[in-house]
Amino acid sequence: GAVVSQHPSWVICKSGTSVKIECRSLDFQATTMFWYRQFPKQSLMLMATSNEGSKATYEQGVEKDKFLINHASLTLSTLTVTSAHPEDSSFYICSASDNSEAFFGQGTRLTVV
Amino acid sequence: AQSVTQLDSQVPVFEEAPVELRCNYSSSVSVYLFWYVQYPNQGLQLLLKYLSGSTLVKGINGFEAEFNKSQTSFHLRKPSVHISDTAEYFCAVNTGGFKTIFGAGTRLFVKA
Repeated sequence: GAVVSQHPSWVICKSGTSVKIECRSLDFQATTMFWYRQFPKQSLMLMATSNEGSKATYEQGVEKDKFLINHASLTLSTLTVTSAHPEDSSFYICSASDNSEAFFGQGTRLTVV
Repeated sequence: AQSVTQLDSQVPVFEEAPVELRCNYSSSVSVYLFWYVQYPNQGLQLLLKYLSGSTLVKGINGFEAEFNKSQTSFHLRKPSVHISDTAEYFCAVNTGGFKTIFGAGTRLFVKA
């Protein structure tokens, strides 16, 4: 199956700083990518839909100014957590579709201290 | 709108026993159905999927699931579990736009 790569796999940052997470489709082009967040012992919640060449669509309750999404090419979407706070600590997962199914990255564990 | 309900938050079972993890979905349109497994501190691994065709779907690691349209269910089964099957299992749906909606998850705990 197709491969989606996320980087970094884990990151620790200081409160108030920004962190960028990359999501790449390695062997296919993805017009649309999705970003999910998973708090400990909870399910995955969709944060936003990332569309190549246009603005992301955010789910209700997700702050678009805090979670900046850029889908600059058909193989790369980035999620930047701006002015991170401890409550932003979570597991972030992206997915990309090759128009047959969605493939998920391995996730990024963000810890804000 | 679509939704997914996983009826059991935790399922303890002894090794080599059969297991069923229950999943019901709600949708006004046709859906694609998936089961994913997540091991601690790892991403998602696709176990199996139903897109169309045969309602009995076989996946990896000896798991299978049956799509029941009348009962809007997609229960996951394995005839004999191993310790290594201990993990979190997520049922999920999407409608072809590939925005995936996940259930709350079921923690399968296999005891020796």
